[in-house]
Amino acid sequence: QQPVQSPQAVILREGEDAVINCSSSKALYSVHWYRQKHGEAPVFLMILLKGGEQKGHDKISASFNEKKQQSSLYLTASQLSYSGTYFCGTSAYSGAGSYQLTFGKGTKLSVIP
Amino acid sequence: EAGVAQSPRYKIIEKRQSVAFWCNPISGHATLYWYQQILGQGPKLLIQFQNNGVVDDSQLPKDRFSAERLKGVDSTLKIQPAKLEDSAVYLCASSFSLGADTQYFGPGTRLTVL
Repeated sequence: QQPVQSPQAVILREGEDAVINCSSSKALYSVHWYRQKHGEAPVFLMILLKGGEQKGHDKISASFNEKKQQSSLYLTASQLSYSGTYFCGTSAYSGAGSYQLTFGKGTKLSVIP
Repeated sequence: EAGVAQSPRYKIIEKRQSVAFWCNPISGHATLYWYQQILGQGPKLLIQFQNNGVVDDSQLPKDRFSAERLKGVDSTLKIQPAKLEDSAVYLCASSFSLGADTQYFGPGTRLTVL
């Protein structure tokens, strides 16, 4: 089942913070976050494995609450380059040693000067 | 390190025609995926290969879509015959292993069916 992302869209001024949420009704093994700019391929940001860990690099971090099947992506002190659509992908075991990645509908983030 | 390569980048066809897309994954990546991304949606998995074998094709419309990865490296996705609703971007991705590993996406092929 497709994970649900919120909000659907957000507009920020440079320097502001944002949180994007992703929730699933299925038991998850991992959560993957990607950013896609218009007309380009999705670019990998980070992966969080089962275990409730938090990851981050630079000013983008994420958390994964496996009990609630939820993940959040945190963007701090946003820059113009952060603009794009953010997708969470949730993976669950689909058999034969395989994990199928199912993407949400995305959150469109616009950073303005 | 070279990324995932795809061709063509754009394709316009009439409905009922056939079309093929090509993908070359990152060197050393055993797992290859084809996704369909309709405008305004997230990518949807069509088929997943491990080397030259199909791992998951449960969401592939097999009456019109086919895919192969004969030598375990590059792959071809075909649509025959195409329908209007097939208009989308077709993304190829690859990962090092079969598990919940990081997937790296290619630039995609934008298909328009008229």
